[in-house]
Amino acid sequence: GQNIDQPTEMTATEGAIVQINCTYQTSGFNGLFWYQQHAGEAPTFLSYNVLDGLEEKGRFSSFLSRSKGYSYLLLKELQMKDSASYLCAAYSGGYQKVTFGTGTKLQVIP
Amino acid sequence: GAVVSQHPSRVICKSGTSVKIECRSLDFQATTMFWYRQFPKKSLMLMATSNEGSKATYEQGVEKDKFLINHASLTLSTLTVTSAHPEDSSFYICSASATVAKNIQYFGAGTRLSVL
Repeated sequence: GQNIDQPTEMTATEGAIVQINCTYQTSGFNGLFWYQQHAGEAPTFLSYNVLDGLEEKGRFSSFLSRSKGYSYLLLKELQMKDSASYLCAAYSGGYQKVTFGTGTKLQVIP
Repeated sequence: GAVVSQHPSRVICKSGTSVKIECRSLDFQATTMFWYRQFPKKSLMLMATSNEGSKATYEQGVEKDKFLINHASLTLSTLTVTSAHPEDSSFYICSASATVAKNIQYFGAGTRLSVL
């Protein structure tokens, strides 16, 4: 089966750093996505990790440990516009399917 | 690049009518398109996967006669909600993956369906 866990909500201060964790248990795991979704809008692609380690892309970085079934999304220099839900999703290549977690709603406060 | 257009963005219809939602990849060829449903404060639930020129693969529990999917070309897929009922009211989102970089899905803006 497929199971993805991430915290429901988080709050962080503008200018700070926040780490959103995700654990997964999926069959035929190939890679891990992070998407950002603002309320009432469709998700937008942030990152895709296949190999273990940290990948940095501007203010956002994503980490993957395949052996631990664990990933995190790191957001630096938080801005108010970063307030959104962040979806962790596992890609199963054998099934060509992406399974989404329930999302972490991040609120950035002044 | 990688723009997916979904139309309409919002639709209100009467119970018993059918509603068609279009999903187009504007600047790439999408061999595979996905249809999701999202309930308030919940994650995306995959309804079906459609490949161009073949029948869609529906997830368990999704009625294929209720949710008709057609993937007629490499840039267009449609979802028709037939004989809509109030419980079908939801946010429907399509996504498309390119022939190259198949893993990454690019999402349309979503369609909010309200059935009265």
